Amino acid sequence: NAGVTQTPKFQVLKTGQSMTLQCAQDMNHEYMSWYRQDPGMGLRLIHYSVGAGITDQGEVPNGYNVSRSTTEDFPLRLLSAAPSQTSVYFCASSYKAGTDYFHEQFFGPGTRLTVL
Amino acid sequence: AQSVAQPEDQVNVAEGNPLTVKCTYSVSGNPYLFWYVQYPNRGLQFLLKYITGDNLVKGSYGFEAEFNKSQTSFHLKKPSALVSDSALYFCAVRPGNNRKLIWGLGTSLAVNP
Repeated sequence: NAGVTQTPKFQVLKTGQSMTLQCAQDMNHEYMSWYRQDPGMGLRLIHYSVGAGITDQGEVPNGYNVSRSTTEDFPLRLLSAAPSQTSVYFCASSYKAGTDYFHEQFFGPGTRLTVL
Repeated sequence: AQSVAQPEDQVNVAEGNPLTVKCTYSVSGNPYLFWYVQYPNRGLQFLLKYITGDNLVKGSYGFEAEFNKSQTSFHLKKPSALVSDSALYFCAVRPGNNRKLIWGLGTSLAVNP
């Protein structure tokens, strides 16, 4: 199993550009999420999904869109990049046990994004 | 407001000595508690979790953590630190019946040879 994969590893954007961060998992996990990690601020949840066709906002959703058309993929779209979105982005997935979505999360290697 | 605190930004310990990384929380319901580790330029890796049962849980790489309900704490411990344990450690808590995790800000552990 490849686990959780993310592309690209690094990206530089100019203010106003759009792009999509890709995330895929091959563990058939129902739950997937996107976080951003900034120095001194820990991990902040951007969006999450509990299954194909179902998404919901986290604590910092503004400026980002997500969709979940398949169990495997959960792309994150930046609509109009801003310097405040310079960060390291992590995708994570988790399995469902019974009715409980939340056990340990498996993280991707991250995408380091710089917006100039 | 629900919160998770890791009161120490950095912990320094000599190789071979025991280590403790602290975590306290304030959440509703019966929480699920987690520890993750992040090595430089890597994603987070799961170390251990507490859901129910024995208050002392054992995890990867010789780490363990003790759930203390009265003190609302979940401290991470290891009897003998290794230089390779040097990393950033995150505590995370899922409040009862919730789909989101609340994360601590992380503690940087430095193990000195």
